[in-house]
Amino acid sequence: EDQVTQSPEALRLQEGESSSLNCSYTVSGLRGLFWYRQDPGKGPEFLFTLYSAGEEKEKERLKATLTKKESFLHITAPKPEDSATYLCAVQAGSNSGYALNFGKGTSLLVTP
Amino acid sequence: DSGVTQTPKHLITATGQRVTLRCSPRSGDLSVYWYQQSLDQGLQFLIQYYNGEERAKGNILERFSAQQFPDLHSELNLSSLELGDSALYFCASSTGPLINTEAFFGQGTRLTVV
Repeated sequence: EDQVTQSPEALRLQEGESSSLNCSYTVSGLRGLFWYRQDPGKGPEFLFTLYSAGEEKEKERLKATLTKKESFLHITAPKPEDSATYLCAVQAGSNSGYALNFGKGTSLLVTP
Repeated sequence: DSGVTQTPKHLITATGQRVTLRCSPRSGDLSVYWYQQSLDQGLQFLIQYYNGEERAKGNILERFSAQQFPDLHSELNLSSLELGDSALYFCASSTGPLINTEAFFGQGTRLTVV
């Protein structure tokens, strides 16, 4: 069965304090790994898709990387507006068609 | 704004009742996905429709059903509601049947069963 585990569950950073969020996965036939940002009471907002090990993508202060077993979301010099829950999801061609299988997320709080 | 519209935003109903949640996908998107998000389970895939036909099923209860209409909007029907069905229900859409590009999510419907 496909599994997606995110760590830590919660992270508190000072503004400017860089860190990384982890997403480890066990899937058969990975088609893509997705990162989303979700603000309270809102729908997930797409950030990145990674398709193969070694791939990296960047957007502003965020950088996502992928290995064969995990993905990292690096946050460089975060600002308070980066506070949100970050969700990782994998897409595999397995039992649920090609739907996204989400982890439970990392809740990030950035304080001034 | 993702372009995916969900109505209503909030719904409060009693146990045993039936409700219908509505989703309009982004213009041009043929795939619609329904997800349930609860505090303890995270985002759980329920069902996918592509161009009017059911494409994939996840952890959807038999009390729940969905359909996609010719104009591509979708409805999720929840019946014989239980307290445990209280959750955020999200709809997402994408262009094709295979979601190997990004899916765009609506703002969700918060269902409270009392």
